[in-house]
Amino acid sequence: DVKVTQSSRYLVKRTGEKVFLECVQDMDHENMFWYRQDPGLGLRLIYFSYDVKMKEKGDIPEGYSVSREKKERFSLILESASTNQTSMYLCASSSWAGEYSGNTIYFGEGSWLTVV
Amino acid sequence: DAKTTQPPSMDCAEGRAANLPCNHSTISGNEYVYWYRQIHSQGPQYIIHGLKNNETNEMASLIITEDRKSSTLILPHATLRDTAVYYCIVRVTYGGSQGNLIFGKGTKLSVKP
Repeated sequence: DVKVTQSSRYLVKRTGEKVFLECVQDMDHENMFWYRQDPGLGLRLIYFSYDVKMKEKGDIPEGYSVSREKKERFSLILESASTNQTSMYLCASSSWAGEYSGNTIYFGEGSWLTVV
Repeated sequence: DAKTTQPPSMDCAEGRAANLPCNHSTISGNEYVYWYRQIHSQGPQYIIHGLKNNETNEMASLIITEDRKSSTLILPHATLRDTAVYYCIVRVTYGGSQGNLIFGKGTKLSVKP
């Protein structure tokens, strides 16, 4: 089974702190993603990466950065946490898809971050 | 915005088949239909996907109409653990972001004893 593991399930951080959310996948997937999920807003893509050291902005990258030094690991960084970043953060991974091969995105269990 | 329409909620008796409909009338020829579900406080779980043929796996069956404008997810023998929000998503799986899933509001399925 594909496994996407997020390092922390629940975190409480103070405003202004630097926060690291770690994600590891064990399926040698090329693509990795970070989403946040908020009530009424659904899932929103923050950043994704299609290769080591590569990253692309998603829909809401402001206030976040990412790091992908190894293929299996994708980190989300909140440079200076703010209360509006309180949310559930979801990491996901998938293999690279060709035009006629539907790939599947697999999600981790989520990290609940509260910024106080 | 999500490109799919689903009923907000459905009930199903335990042991019976659950049939969850989805309308995707603007689907493009290269877009797949995906189904995920999310149990409260957990990450979305992949269920099944298809392009134009019906698909079946150990979890569910996916029936896609011939014109591809709608589909139905079938859980053949629903259990209490199938209570969740079910999301139907259409997406292109290559190029670009390779994965920007746009989740709509989904259908909250309640399986009752």
